[in-house]
Amino acid sequence: GEDVEQSLFLSVREGDSSVINCTYTDSSSTYLYWYKQEPGAGLQLLTYIFSNMDMKQDQRLTVLLNKKDKHLSLRIADTQTGDSAIYFCAERDTGRRALTFGSGTRLQVQP
Amino acid sequence: DAGVIQSPRHEVTEMGQEVTLRCKPISGHDYLFWYRQTMMRGLELLIYFNNNVPIDDSGMPEDRFSAKMPNASFSTLKIQPSEPRDSAVYFCASSPGLAGVTDTQYFGPGTRLTVL
Repeated sequence: GEDVEQSLFLSVREGDSSVINCTYTDSSSTYLYWYKQEPGAGLQLLTYIFSNMDMKQDQRLTVLLNKKDKHLSLRIADTQTGDSAIYFCAERDTGRRALTFGSGTRLQVQP
Repeated sequence: DAGVIQSPRHEVTEMGQEVTLRCKPISGHDYLFWYRQTMMRGLELLIYFNNNVPIDDSGMPEDRFSAKMPNASFSTLKIQPSEPRDSAVYFCASSPGLAGVTDTQYFGPGTRLTVL
């Protein structure tokens, strides 16, 4: 079955760049997403990328996709304390509507 | 639009009691999803509906769990009887169901359930 894996924790200093990594196993994955979850809140969609793209940039966020290695990353430039949250990678293929989520990466931003 | 609305936000109950969680999806969305989040298992899909019809309930843990969607603007997830291991945050999400595009899922704030 599908599997999505992420590292559990990342700590960076304010102003540095953060890179959160994700690997997935489903070669049929068509859409890949990054969600952000702040304490006590639901999941907020940050960005997404189609599997036929290599990169997508959206303000401070850059998503890189390596389809050969099934590796997805989210780079946050000029990380701020407000970026501290759990970041989830998720994937789905065109045959399914449901998302498969990774375990989430807790990003801690030190002032 | 107010987004996906869930109620209650917090529920504390005793083992054996019936628990009903409620969800109002975003108006016009054709798909509704129920997820459960725990520390041990992360985010798991329980069930999802398309146009009020259950499509995949393979994630429902056992017969104690049931979900309904009587109309396009309301869904319930019921646990009867509840057990301490059901303690988790339950999220509802909806998506527009647009073919050929990303069909983004929008999440509600969740219901934190504690079963004592």
